[in-house]
Amino acid sequence: EEQLVDSGGDLVQPGGSLRLSCAASGFNFSSYWMTWVRQAPGRGLEWVANIKPDGSDRYYVDSVKGRFTISRDNAKNSLYLQLNSLRVEDTAVYYCVRDRITPSVWGQGTRVTVSS
Amino acid sequence: QSVLTQPASVSGSPGQSITISCTGTSSDVGAYNYVSWYQQHPGKAPKLMIYNVNNRPSGVSNRFSGSKSGNTASLAISGLQAEDEADYYCSSYTTSRTLIFGGGSKVTVL
Repeated sequence: EEQLVDSGGDLVQPGGSLRLSCAASGFNFSSYWMTWVRQAPGRGLEWVANIKPDGSDRYYVDSVKGRFTISRDNAKNSLYLQLNSLRVEDTAVYYCVRDRITPSVWGQGTRVTVSS
Repeated sequence: QSVLTQPASVSGSPGQSITISCTGTSSDVGAYNYVSWYQQHPGKAPKLMIYNVNNRPSGVSNRFSGSKSGNTASLAISGLQAEDEADYYCSSYTTSRTLIFGGGSKVTVL
């Protein structure tokens, strides 16, 4: 079964940092673009970032450029999102998703709360 | 990076058909046939219902269908059932190599 398991979400103060992880199984992880999508409480879905299969290309939504970094370890079938300089408006459930054009497999989500 | 435009809510009675629209621009919906639709129940992760405008993943009911004309895509649900009550989101790949989502439509089964 193709599966993504998100982890790493927590309560953090404004200006703080966090690292999200996503463990993939059941498919050839190293062949796929991977994406992070977030959903603020009561709001819609927002694309955050994606990364090429070999990690050589990365794209970010303007609001997180310079603060978030997407990365991957194909040997460990894992995707990561480093969140720095966190703001209250970054509060959301973060989903790890397979593919960049048609997100077909979604993780269960991990909750990030930024609050003092 | 704006969102695609969807109606906030759509409703229908059991057995009826409804349509949800998703309007973008020539840089996203109009640029490629890469429009997808997702169903999300409260507290759950989104589920892919339609991809590449009008294709259904294995296991998705044929009551769900998609179409596109110009910069507007649509999701149709026929034979509305209580279990269809959920939030629905469209997405489109863009010419900037990013993904953009719609604001979401809440479907209510009356």
